[in-house]
Amino acid sequence: DGGITQSPKYLFRKEGQNVTLSCEQNLNHDAMYWYRQDPGQGLRLIYYSQIVNDFQKGDIAEGYSVSREKKESFPLTVTSAQKNPTAFYLCASRTGSYQPQHFGDGTRLSIL
Amino acid sequence: GQNIDQPTEMTATEGAIVQINCTYQTSGFNGLFWYQQHAGEAPTFLSYNVLDGLEEKGRFSSFLSRSKGYSYLLLKELQMKDSASYLCAVTGGSYIPTFGRGTSLIVHP
Repeated sequence: DGGITQSPKYLFRKEGQNVTLSCEQNLNHDAMYWYRQDPGQGLRLIYYSQIVNDFQKGDIAEGYSVSREKKESFPLTVTSAQKNPTAFYLCASRTGSYQPQHFGDGTRLSIL
Repeated sequence: GQNIDQPTEMTATEGAIVQINCTYQTSGFNGLFWYQQHAGEAPTFLSYNVLDGLEEKGRFSSFLSRSKGYSYLLLKELQMKDSASYLCAVTGGSYIPTFGRGTSLIVHP
C-alpha cells in the first residue's frame, strides 16, 4: 500500500541534543512538507521541497534543518538551537499544486 | 501574507447539521482545502474548492465565494465519529497551503 511513514512515533530530546525525524513516502510525489502543530495553533510550515535536491524555508524554519537527497525521503533535524521543540510534527506530500496533501501519522517530540 | 480565520470550537447534536466557516485574506488564490483531524492523528482530506459554488460529497459539502474570501464546510446527519478538528487550508500565489487554526467540533448525543 502506498503512503507516508513517519518514525519514530514518540521522541525525547535532551538539552543540547540534535534529533532527526524520519519521513518516507512511496507515493512517487514530488513535493514534501514538514509542519509543526501546537495546541490551538493549527499547522505551521517549517520547510518544504518541491523537487529532489531543493528545499525552501517555511514560516518557522529557525532551529530546524532538512535534506532532500532522494525523492522518497525528507528527514527533519531539530537542532539544539530550537528552544521550544515540544510539539506534534507532521510530514506531508502531494503530487501537484492543486492536489490535496497526504499526511504521515506524525511524531510527538518532547523534552527530557 | 495570508490570514485565515475559523471558529475555535463548535458543538452540535447527533443527527443535526453544522456549518463551519472559514474566512481568508490572501494575495492570489489557487484553491481551498478542508481536512478532518481526529485527536493525535494525521489530517485526512475532505474537499477542495477552486471555483465559486458548492461541492457535495455524501454527508459533507463545501462552499466557496472567492469575492468574499469565504468558505464553509457543511456536515449533515452528524455522527459521534464526526467529533474532530476541521482544518481550512488556503493556497495563495505561492501555491503553498497555509492552514487556519482549525475548528474543534464536539458532537453530543
